[in-house]
Amino acid sequence: DIQMTQSPSSLSASVGDRVTITCRASQSINSYLNWYQQKPGKAPKLLIYAASSLQSGVPSRFSGSGSGTDFTLTISSLQPEDFATYYCQQSYNTPRTFGPGTKVDVK
Amino acid sequence: EVQLLESGGGLVQPGGSLRLSCATSGFTFSTYAMSWVRQAPGKGLEWVSAISGSGGSTFYADSVKGRFTISRDNSKNTLYLQMNSLRAEDTAVYYCAKEGGPSDAFDMWGQGTLVTVSS
Repeated sequence: DIQMTQSPSSLSASVGDRVTITCRASQSINSYLNWYQQKPGKAPKLLIYAASSLQSGVPSRFSGSGSGTDFTLTISSLQPEDFATYYCQQSYNTPRTFGPGTKVDVK
Repeated sequence: EVQLLESGGGLVQPGGSLRLSCATSGFTFSTYAMSWVRQAPGKGLEWVSAISGSGGSTFYADSVKGRFTISRDNSKNTLYLQMNSLRAEDTAVYYCAKEGGPSDAFDMWGQGTLVTVSS
């Protein structure tokens, strides 16, 4: 199985900050990497697919990069509605696996 | 508008069974693979099972293999998860999710249904 790791596990930030979350796969997954945002009590929401493509309706302050084993999610200017937990997920093969999540909270 | 609506969750004793359903609308159901993803209280996301659009191929996490069965009825646009021999560690919110796009991401999710396994 492909193991996914994320760092940091949590971070505190202020509105307007640039936030970067990294995700690493235990083997190459090409660009089969997706990012999700989850708020408490809600279902996850797809933000970025195929490592760098912005899902329809997602604000352009979100961006993704990387390929192979190392990936990054960047929020260029954190907004109040962005405080949430973020997960990466590989869709290169089965079993699909998620990273452990990164919680972004208020500084 | 794409919609996924899970049902069938509840409280069940260890060793018991439960069947979850996910009714869908707003897309050509038979065209897309579907998955179940669960989240234990306070924990992260865990993929459970997937099924191809035709239903001919199914996949399971090791943690549920031999106990859970995924199926679909394309005439009813509905996805199912039959859960047998339930354990306390199966307690979680269960989400159905549609796969889509060039990277087979989970591009649409249901609201989730809570399964609690406890005596």
